Amino acid sequence: GAVVSQHPSWVICKSGTSVKIECRSLDFQATTMFWYRQFPKQSLMLMATSNEGSKATYEQGVEKDKFLINHASLTLSTLTVTSAHPEDSSFYICSGSGQGREQYFGPGTRLTVT
Amino acid sequence: GQQVMQIPQYQHVQEGEDFTTYCNSSTTLSNIQWYKQRPGGHPVFLIQLVKSGEVKKQKRLTFQFGEAIKNSSLHITATQTTDVGTYFCAGRGGSQGNLIFGKGTKLSVKP
Repeated sequence: GAVVSQHPSWVICKSGTSVKIECRSLDFQATTMFWYRQFPKQSLMLMATSNEGSKATYEQGVEKDKFLINHASLTLSTLTVTSAHPEDSSFYICSGSGQGREQYFGPGTRLTVT
Repeated sequence: GQQVMQIPQYQHVQEGEDFTTYCNSSTTLSNIQWYKQRPGGHPVFLIQLVKSGEVKKQKRLTFQFGEAIKNSSLHITATQTTDVGTYFCAGRGGSQGNLIFGKGTKLSVKP
């Protein structure tokens, strides 16, 4: 089946620094990629949707200048958390969607900001 | 703002029993999606419903979108231990609305 990888799987950074998370579709072309965050024991929250080659569409309440999303190719999307703060600590999950509507999720990246 | 509520929060069943989880939105939805997350795993997209009254089946799973396009249900017939996990619904209010996830229903199945 379709596989999505994320890198890194976990990261610890200091407050004020920026962190980049990569999301790759390994065996299919993801025309659309989604970024979610999940707080401990809570539900998923969709942050943004990105289509290859165009600007991401952010959900209401998500700061586009803080969470920079790039979807430069059909197999790679990146999420950069700029000037990270402790409240940005969370589990970030990406998913990719190809020709069909089905989404394939990555394993997630756990971000801890100290 | 829009809220999506799921009930029950937890459900324990004996293998072979049926299971249903319900999803209710405070506003009408343009579509609703269902996901399954196994313990320790990441969410897996199951299905998307877009039409009022729509019913879709995937083997033992039956998904229904209410006539009022504010509620949805997922029904599993004759549960198996492989059905264990948390089932999330997510609804979008209009084409420009956020995709709001419910808190999920955690299903455990006793063999």
